Order: sequence, then C-alpha cells, then structure tokens
Amino acid sequence: QQQVKQSPQSLIVQKGGIPIINCAYENTAFDYFPWYQQFPGKGPALLIAIRPDVSEKKEGRFTISFNKSAKQFSLHIMDSQPGDSATYFCAASLGNNDMRFGAGTRLTVKP
Amino acid sequence: NAGVMQNPRHLVRRRGQEARLRCSPMKGHSHVYWYRQLPEEGLKFMVYLQKENIIDESGMPKERFSAEFPKEGPSILRIQQVVRGDSAAYFCASSASGGSQPQHFGDGTRLSIL
Repeated sequence: QQQVKQSPQSLIVQKGGIPIINCAYENTAFDYFPWYQQFPGKGPALLIAIRPDVSEKKEGRFTISFNKSAKQFSLHIMDSQPGDSATYFCAASLGNNDMRFGAGTRLTVKP
Repeated sequence: NAGVMQNPRHLVRRRGQEARLRCSPMKGHSHVYWYRQLPEEGLKFMVYLQKENIIDESGMPKERFSAEFPKEGPSILRIQQVVRGDSAAYFCASSASGGSQPQHFGDGTRLSIL
C-alpha cells in the first residue's frame, strides 16, 4: 500500500531555476519526513529532513515546506545547478522503523 | 571510509543459485535496514535488524529470503534459489538508534539473475 505519493515523476528546469517536488501522505502517525538524493549507481543520500512540529526547514539551497493540515510537504531547490541533476525521493517514517518512500522525481537542470 | 559498506557491488547469479549480500553499517550504528529498488521505482522496505535480532521483517518475502546481523561481522541478506524476478538493486541503511532517525545508505548491490 503506497502511503507516500510523490510528484512530478520528472522535472526539467534551467540553471538558476527553483524546482519544487511535492509529496502527500495519508497516515497522520508519520513523524519524520526526510528527503534523499540519488545519483545513478549510488545509494540514496540524506539531504534534509523535517518533523511535523516545524513548518519549514532550510539547509543551504534546500528548503522543506511542511503543511500538516494538508498532509503535504515539498522540497525546493534554490539556484539549481546542473550538479543537482539526480533522482529525489521523499519518505515518511512511522517511528517504528518503517520508512515509506515516494516513487521518486528525476530532476534535470539544464546549463 | 566511515560510511555504510555493501559488497559485492554487482552480483550475477543463475536461476536456482543462492545470493549473499553483505552490509557493514556505519561505525557506531547498531541498527540495519534492507531495501529493494526496482528500476524507476522507489525503495521498498524489507527488513530491520539490530545485533543478533530481527526486529521487523514485514517487507520480506516469506520464502527464499532471510537476513541476519550477527554479533560480529556484517549483516547478510540471503536469497535462496534465485529467480529472474529477484533482479534488483538491494540497499542497506544503518542508523545509530531505532525509531524515526536518519538512515544512511550504502551504494547497494546490483543483483542480476541470468
């Protein structure tokens, strides 16, 4: 049962643009929401994470916006660069080690 | 390298053979998770282990698959009598504690079944 829906499936932006990736969840018991970045042939790398008591978190060029009432959260990448081209996964954890991943968004940043 | 180490990186097996995938967690981490990833898909949870204990194996097929995390040595994901449908990338992650904590991933093992 998919509990985290991620969109879009793919995204193309120009260098300097601000790609936005969205995720929606169903289970209000989720209490930890990480984002992972994955390059081809590599494992997912933890990028940034948020807990539901916070509405926004920034780390460098990456920002998570969290809307608890709508059960949605999104990743914004400021001043995107070609090196940001990768697949991004959102995830949600129930606190019992059961982490559910979205299907991924393939981001391409054109020079 | 203090990261999660997985080996082998690539593994080719014929149908009916056994596949053994190894994972050494990050230094200081005693919680290990195994995930499976099919092409163009997200990661699917398989099993969660602590040293010498399986905590949650709800995502692992009941037959042919097993996992262990012994007191000494790496965690092992074992697939017996492999079939073509087992072809996937298998990722291991580790965390310092359980619950909703950051999980750090290895670079995976790409399993191909001939």
